[in-house]
Amino acid sequence: TQLLEQSPQFLSIQEGENLTVYCNSSSVFSSLQWYRQEPGEGPVLLVTVVTGGEVKKLKRLTFQFGDARKDSSLHITAAQPGDTGLYLCAGLDNYGQNFVFGPGTRLSVLP
Amino acid sequence: EAQVTQNPRYLITVTGKKLTVTCSQNMNHEYMSWYRQDPGLGLRQIYYSMNVEVTDKGDVPEGYKVSRKEKRNFPLILESPSPNQTSLYFCASSLSYRGGANEKLFFGSGTQLSVL
Repeated sequence: TQLLEQSPQFLSIQEGENLTVYCNSSSVFSSLQWYRQEPGEGPVLLVTVVTGGEVKKLKRLTFQFGDARKDSSLHITAAQPGDTGLYLCAGLDNYGQNFVFGPGTRLSVLP
Repeated sequence: EAQVTQNPRYLITVTGKKLTVTCSQNMNHEYMSWYRQDPGLGLRQIYYSMNVEVTDKGDVPEGYKVSRKEKRNFPLILESPSPNQTSLYFCASSLSYRGGANEKLFFGSGTQLSVL
């Protein structure tokens, strides 16, 4: 079974600070996705990374896929209260059939 | 509007009383899946379906049943619910399951189930 770990589990920061959260595995994934989940709602896709070493930017969010396609990071610059939520990484398993989810990082950005 | 619709949003029941959580998508997606979300454990897959009449077990299928008689619907059935099935449940769909940068999961808003 392919597993994903995320760190930190919880993160509380002040508005304007930068932060990085991590998604790690001992397994290779064909692609990795990042989702954000707000209270009372389902996760919503932020980005998909497919190529080892790939970097994608979405406004203040920067996503990187590790060269070996076993890990990924999400960096947020100048965090805002609207960034508060649960960040989940998900990898497509080697059979290409199912998404495996990490346990998530719960981010709280205080004004 | 493209969406995945789950019902009910909240459900309180008692041990052993059969229940069904419905899930419907209007995007003509092939792939549908059920997850449960528990604190510290993330999203764990219960069952998934790659197309009509094709279903398979996920990581935590015990105590659950599903069916996929139509492309748009994927109900989750608990024949005899137990307290350890108290959880937040999500249905999700995807255009297909073949991977790549175009694949994404669309989630419903969730069903909070409490089994007393």
